[in-house]
Amino acid sequence: GEDVEQSLFLSVREGDSSVINCTYTDSSSTYLYWYKQEPGAGLQLLTYIFSNMDMKQDQRLTVLLNKKDKHLSLRIADTQTGDSAIYFCAESRGSYIPTFGRGTSLIVHP
Amino acid sequence: ETGVTQSPTHLIKTRGQQVTLRCSSQSGHNTVSWYQQALGQGPQFIFQYYREEENGRGNFPPRFSGLQFPNYSSELNVNALELDDSALYLCASSLVGRTSGSNEQYFGPGTRLTVT
Repeated sequence: GEDVEQSLFLSVREGDSSVINCTYTDSSSTYLYWYKQEPGAGLQLLTYIFSNMDMKQDQRLTVLLNKKDKHLSLRIADTQTGDSAIYFCAESRGSYIPTFGRGTSLIVHP
Repeated sequence: ETGVTQSPTHLIKTRGQQVTLRCSSQSGHNTVSWYQQALGQGPQFIFQYYREEENGRGNFPPRFSGLQFPNYSSELNVNALELDDSALYLCASSLVGRTSGSNEQYFGPGTRLTVT
């Protein structure tokens, strides 16, 4: 299977919370990341978490890490239409070179 | 605005040809990484350059090669193009210290390569 797995699509209503999930296989992962990619653009680093943390909050974004289950999630509070994009989960080890999932396409509708 | 720029934005080549893609790193960054992103996929790591030396390589054949220049701009060269090389090519720059890496990479907008 893939090193990093994500569901491909998520549809939410504007104002609701979005939760994007990710699982990874490497227990030696050091950093776990969430990137955002808008149409026709490169990747934007949204946030990252070190593997010895279990939660990180940054404004509307909350990252939860369950290291035992190798599960990472990104919660976006009060989702807006501008949040519509593809969200990539990634992990890295000592080399800091991330391995990406296939991305979750978030669709926000009014 | 990340400060990482790439050129050209789009490119069409024929199978068997060679291509050079260019990247200008964010000011002050000394490391550049190149990724290939096929349609519907996440980016795949090609290689990384640190202070003009290759510093890690993904699972790509030798016809993918690169250069990093003293001003930290970079090139990705692909020889003998194949149809499967059609993808978005992304470069990312970061600042790596002598004893520590960086977990923050700043991506450019990418070059869309189409091989026919």
